Amino acid sequence: DTGVSQDPRHKITKRGQNVTFRCDPISEHNRLYWYRQTLGQGPEFLTYFQNEAQLEKSRLLSDRFSAERPKGSFSTLEIQRTEQGDSAMYLCASSLASQGQETQYFGPGTRLLVL
Amino acid sequence: GQNIDQPTEMTATEGAIVQINCTYQTSGFNGLFWYQQHAGEAPTFLSYNVLDGLEEKGRFSSFLSRSKGYSYLLLKELQMKDSASYLCAVRGTTGGFKTIFGAGTRLFVKA
Repeated sequence: DTGVSQDPRHKITKRGQNVTFRCDPISEHNRLYWYRQTLGQGPEFLTYFQNEAQLEKSRLLSDRFSAERPKGSFSTLEIQRTEQGDSAMYLCASSLASQGQETQYFGPGTRLLVL
Repeated sequence: GQNIDQPTEMTATEGAIVQINCTYQTSGFNGLFWYQQHAGEAPTFLSYNVLDGLEEKGRFSSFLSRSKGYSYLLLKELQMKDSASYLCAVRGTTGGFKTIFGAGTRLFVKA
């Protein structure tokens, strides 16, 4: 257990529905990242926050995806009008921004299946 | 462009040594990470290199050559529990110091 938690761990939804995932980072960490991972691939960057500011969003992320980190603590990732291609593991990671090594610690992930 | 290459799969025998290679091309360089990921679980941190040379941590060692864009992860005294995917990841110096992950190397340890 890294100290990063995600909820829910599994989500099954029908195409066209909206889903929201939550991530609670390690409390003193100021950076929070969202990744998507499909079978046989490494984590693919989606977006990241420093405190409450969303500093970067992947060009791969369509307008159906939105993320927030309202108070600089937990974060939510929402997918609107889900598509079958959204089926994947959604990973959250947190880190403490520093000049040197900045290790990202991952949560257990939310596995999404869109039927 | 940014690219990280590592072998898709490797097989090794319990008790042996295995070396997993990683080559990278990224926008700037601010550190290379190795993560271990068991099936269905999240990646867990193994090692970090930012300067050239070898970093040793128990049964695991990681090497970096920045001029060659090359790293390897060395696993000694392999155990069955080492069967997992090993992800090479590079942190750049642009785009908010984003970390790019390779597709991972699936290691199978056989008895």
